[in-house]
Amino acid sequence: RKEVEQDPGPFNVPEGATVAFNCTYSNSASQSFFWYRQDCRKEPKLLMSVYSSGNEDGRFTAQLNRASQYISLLIRDSKLSDSATYLCVVKLNDYKLSFGAGTTVTVRA
Amino acid sequence: EAGVVQSPRYKIIEKKQPVAFWCNPISGHNTLYWYLQNLGQGPELLIRYENEEAVDDSQLPKDRFSAERLKGVDSTLKIQPAELGDSAVYLCASSAQNNEQFFGPGTRLTVL
Repeated sequence: RKEVEQDPGPFNVPEGATVAFNCTYSNSASQSFFWYRQDCRKEPKLLMSVYSSGNEDGRFTAQLNRASQYISLLIRDSKLSDSATYLCVVKLNDYKLSFGAGTTVTVRA
Repeated sequence: EAGVVQSPRYKIIEKKQPVAFWCNPISGHNTLYWYLQNLGQGPELLIRYENEEAVDDSQLPKDRFSAERLKGVDSTLKIQPAELGDSAVYLCASSAQNNEQFFGPGTRLTVL
C-alpha cells in the first residue's frame, strides 16, 4: 500500500468554479502535511502547509482529518493559472517527505 | 536569491552508458536531497546529505547508483551503467536544517 494515495483526476473545471480533492495517508505517526504544486515539466513548489484546525491562503483552503487520515484541498474561484498537478505530501519524520502521485487540475476558459 | 541549480536539464543516452547529474543547492543550505520522479508519480527520495555526510541512502540502488558531496556544497549523482528503467526526472532539493525543501528544475533522463 502506498503511503500517500490521491485521486489522479483529471479535474476539468471552468473558470470561477470550485474544485476540491483529497488524499489519504497510511502512517498515523506522520508529523506534518503539505500541498505542493507542480506545473508541467517544472519542479514541485510548496503551496501551503496543512493544519488540524484547517487553514486558508487566499482562494485555497486545506483541511486535515487525523482520525480518518485524510487531507483535502479546495480551490475557490478557479483561475486558468491554477491548472497544475497538486501533490499531497506527508512528512514522516524530521526530514523525510512522502509524496502522493498528484491530482491534475485543468481550468478551462 | 538563486534557487537550486541543476545540470544538464536534459540527457539522452543509450543503455549501459554512464551518466552524471550535478546539483548546486541554495547558498547556506546544509541539507541536500536527490529525488527520482517517474512519469505520473510523485518524487521519491534517493539520498539525503547533511553537509558532506550521506545520512540516508537507504533508497539508493547502490549496485548502479552513486552520489557524492565532497565539500558539503555541490553534489553529483551518477548511474553506471544506465538501464531503460532509469528514464525519469532526477530532482535535487535543498533545505536549511529540516525546514522547507526547495527543488531544482530537475534533469530529465532518457535511456534508449
